[in-house]
Amino acid sequence: DAKTTQPNSMESNEEEPVHLPCNHSTISGTDYIHWYRQLPSQGPEYVIHGLTSNVNNRMASLAIAEDRKSSTLILHRATLRDAAVYYCILKSMNRDDKIIFGKGTRLHILP
Amino acid sequence: DVKVTQSSRYLVKRTGEKVFLECVQDMDHENMFWYRQDPGLGLRLIYFSYDVKMKEKGDIPEGYSVSREKKERFSLILESASTNQTSMYLCASSQTGGRQPQHFGDGTRLSIL
Repeated sequence: DAKTTQPNSMESNEEEPVHLPCNHSTISGTDYIHWYRQLPSQGPEYVIHGLTSNVNNRMASLAIAEDRKSSTLILHRATLRDAAVYYCILKSMNRDDKIIFGKGTRLHILP
Repeated sequence: DVKVTQSSRYLVKRTGEKVFLECVQDMDHENMFWYRQDPGLGLRLIYFSYDVKMKEKGDIPEGYSVSREKKERFSLILESASTNQTSMYLCASSQTGGRQPQHFGDGTRLSIL
C-alpha cells in the first residue's frame, strides 16, 4: 500500500490559517487522498478527500500538488476545537476498502 | 448523519473471560471494520467485513474473531481475554469505493485485569 509521511506535530495560533502537509510520493493513479482527524477521546472523523483537483468543504480545503505526490490540508481559521491528530491516508478505488492509518500530525492550537 | 454506535464506552474484564464488543451502524453500509488503538502504535486493523457472514483478517487478527450475522451489526470477540488486549477499540463502517469515507464510533476502552 502506498505510504504517507506527515510531520509529528505542528503548532498554530488561534484564528490563523493552518497548513498541514502530507507527502505521498508513491501514490498511484487510482488512489484518493483522504484526511481524517481525531479529537481527544473520540473516534477519527472524516474531514475531506480529493483525487486530482483542489477541494473545499465546510471543514477545510485540500490542495493537491499537480504531480499528486503531496497534498496540504488547510484550516482557514483555526480554533481551539481544531486541536487534534490529523491523518492523511490514501484509499484505492480499485482494491478493497481498507485504509491504513499512519501516526498523523498532532496539531496544537495556541490561544 | 451516519451513526456508528459501540455498545460500551468503558469495559473492565478479567483474564480468560470471553468478551464481546458490539457495533451497530444505521446507514446500510456494506463494509464494517474493527481497529485497536494503542499509544505510539496508532490505529491497527483487526478484522473487516464486506458483507453479511463475510470476514477478512486485518493486520493483527490473532486472539480475536468476528461475527456479522446482520448487515448493520459487527461484533468483535475476544475468545480468552489477555492483559495485552487492554486497548481502545474502534468500529467503523463505509460504503464501497475509493471516495467513500469510513465513519467511526466513539470507541470502547477495554481493560483486562
